[in-house]
Parts: sequence; C-alpha cells; structure tokens
Amino acid sequence: AQTVTQSQPEMSVQEAETVTLSCTYDTSESNYYLFWYKQPPSRQMILVIRQEAYKQQNATENRFSVNFQKAAKSFSLKISDSQLGDTAMYFCAFMKRGSGSRLTFGEGTQLTVNP
Amino acid sequence: GAVVSQHPSWVICKSGTSVKIECRSLDFQATTMFWYRQFPKQSLMLMATSNEGSKATYEQGVEKDKFLINHASLTLSTLTVTSAHPEDSSFYICSARRREGTDTQYFGPGTRLTVL
Repeated sequence: AQTVTQSQPEMSVQEAETVTLSCTYDTSESNYYLFWYKQPPSRQMILVIRQEAYKQQNATENRFSVNFQKAAKSFSLKISDSQLGDTAMYFCAFMKRGSGSRLTFGEGTQLTVNP
Repeated sequence: GAVVSQHPSWVICKSGTSVKIECRSLDFQATTMFWYRQFPKQSLMLMATSNEGSKATYEQGVEKDKFLINHASLTLSTLTVTSAHPEDSSFYICSARRREGTDTQYFGPGTRLTVL
C-alpha cells in the first residue's frame, strides 16, 4: 500500500515571496504519477502540477514547480511570486500507473498568502 | 476541457430519506469515476470506484447498500445515499478519469449534504 505524508499542516507566506510545501511518499511501485492539487475556499479541487516518475526532469507550470527526488521519495512544491489567490489547501497525491488506479492523498497543507 | 459537474451543489434532507447526487463529465468520456467523502479540514477519503457498465468497487468500511453507485454511461455516475442519517452529513466529491490519454483525474465541485 502507498502512503503520502505532508508534515506541514499550515504555512503562511507574504505576497510575492516564494514558499515550498513538502511531501514524502512510500511505495514499492516503480511506475507511478505524483500530483499536487489545490483546494481553495470554494472546495473545488484543482490540478496544479503532475509528475511522471520515469521522468527525471522536474515538472513546471508557470509559477509552480516541483523538486522530485525519486530515491528519497520526496516531491515538494515550490510556489514563486505568491499571490493572494494561491491561498488554499494543497494536497499531494500518488497514483500507481494503470487503468482504474486510485489517488492516495496526503493530509494536506493549508497555505495562507498574506498581503 | 476536462470539466466535471456535480448536482446538486448542496442539499438538505430529513433523516431517513434518500438523496441522489449526479456527477457528469461535460466534455470528455470517463471510463472511471471516483467518489470521495471529505470532512472539514481533512483530506479526501475514497469511497468507491465506478466503471461504466459494471458494479462499483467499494473501499473497506463503506456500506455498499447505503451508498449506491450507478455508472450508467461514459459521462454520468450517480451516488445515492439511502436512508440518510445525520452522520452521513459531509462533503461529497466525484472525479472522472478520461477514456484516453493521461491518468489524471478531474474533480467536480462537490456536494454538501446536510441531514437533519
């Protein structure tokens, strides 16, 4: 079974600054995906970024980037130039590659961006 | 693309009644849909996985007779909470996985159920 751990229940950052959210996971699988989802106060889950385990290059989406360390089973999310709209709960998630695979979520990190 | 809708967005019902929640993939076909439950300030808990045209697979501890799931087409899955009780009050979220392409799941906006 897979487990995902987010050790930071809450974080805060000043607008325009950079923040990094931590995530570690445990799995015996070799072929999998990792995701970061955000859930703002509206509670709509929004995909932020996705990483395929076989790719060594870290995924990047505009101000969001990840530091994927496969050997260490670490998958942190860096948010640059933080904006007020980034305030949300962030969930790290693991999915084994293959049809019907389910997402395993971490406990979440509540990020608050302060003006 | 990849929009998932849920209806209703919120519902209040009396104890003992049944409530149906719909999940639709609006612009893609979904071979698999997932139903989650989320309590305040907690993570998402997977309840069941449904594949079009077949019976849903329920997670351990989830009562299949209480939470009826029907995935009748490639764009629609429904969750019916039967004989609802106050402890069933929660936020229910569905997600859908594309028929082709990536394994990414796309989430609906959720349904808040309150049982009085």
